[in-house]
Formats: sequence, structure tokens, C-alpha cells
Amino acid sequence: DAGVIQSPRHEVTEMGQEVTLRCKPISGHDYLFWYRQTMMRGLELLIYFNNNVPIDDSGMPEDRFSAKMPNASFSTLKIQPSEPRDSAVYFCASSPGTLRGYTFGSGTRLTVV
Amino acid sequence: SQQGEEDPQALSIQEGENATMNCSYKTSINNLQWYRQNSGRGLVHLILIRSNEREKHSGRLRVTLDTSKKSSSLLITASRAADTASYFCAPVETGGFKTIFGAGTRLFVKA
Repeated sequence: DAGVIQSPRHEVTEMGQEVTLRCKPISGHDYLFWYRQTMMRGLELLIYFNNNVPIDDSGMPEDRFSAKMPNASFSTLKIQPSEPRDSAVYFCASSPGTLRGYTFGSGTRLTVV
Repeated sequence: SQQGEEDPQALSIQEGENATMNCSYKTSINNLQWYRQNSGRGLVHLILIRSNEREKHSGRLRVTLDTSKKSSSLLITASRAADTASYFCAPVETGGFKTIFGAGTRLFVKA
């Protein structure tokens, strides 16, 4: 099992550009989570899906952020337009259920200049 | 939503010593999980304890759960330099699966 796969590993973009982060969860995992980590704010839950349906997006900071899960094997987190304060490490995690742990991806380090 | 609060914020010990980290939470839970994060990497799931369990072991890890006090502890015995990392607890609330991580405990094990 390759685990949770995130791409790209690193992204540097200019303010105002659109950024798309990608995640492939582990096959058979019904839950998918997007987190953001910064030194100042720690790990923040942005949104999570169950069976491809968004369940809770209350952590999405503002309308510039959007997330989709078109099928069980792929999810995207999009930021448009990006701002320097969006710079962070974005993690995707998946889980087979509420009595099982999460498997995290390696993260995408986003730098907006 | 449920958030775990870890204590202490930082812990520095010698290799071979035991390390104890604590976690408190506020509402009823289905289970509680502990994770480790090495610098620059994703979190790794260590152990899960269900709400009807009081203690669980996995290798050098021992987790306890006291639902009456809404607290949990993680004990790492015979610590090694490779245990240097941040440790997070993740209480999973009853009826939901939304997990909000606290600030974690930063453990430093000196060789």
C-alpha cells in the first residue's frame, strides 16, 4: 500500500495565483481530511469528506478556499487567489472509519510570495 | 467540536528514561488516539484507545484513559533519541469524526 499520496510536495507561487493541491487516499478509506499546519496556528482541520460528500467545511478559512472529492480516489484543495498568509504545510489524511486511526500524507509545503 | 490539550508543551529527557505526556478534553468521546510527528513530516498514528478501555499497550507505549476525568496519558518507556518528535492526542467525539488537534507535546530525547 503506497499510503496517502499528496502532490506536489512543494509549491511556490506568487500572490494572486491559483493553487491546486491534490490527494489520493488509501483505497477503501471512506473518510478524507484536509489539515493545514503553521507554527502560529498549529494543525487546523479545514474540511472532511465521508464517501466523497463534504461533511464539515467550517474550518475553511474563506471563500478563496474550495475542496472537492469527485471520486473515492481523488481530492483537491484549491486556493484562488492565493495570499502570503496561506503559506503553510497542507496535509491530507484518510481513514476507514471512526474506530480507526488516520493515515496522513507527507504534506504539501506551500509558499506564497 | 472536540480538541485535545496536551501537557507539558515541551519535555526534555535522557535516553533510557521514561516520558509521560498528558491530554485533557472536554466532551464525551468514542475513542482517543495518539499521533507522533517528526519534524517536517506527516503525523503517524501510534495507538487508539476506546472509551470503554482503561489501558492499552503497544511495544514501548502505554496509554491510559480516564473518562471520568476526561484525561489520557501516553507513556514511552526506555526512550530513544529516535523518539524525539511532537506528540498529539486526538479525542474523537461521540457521534462524530471531527478531530481537532492541540498544540502537542514536543519531546526531546538526549543521547
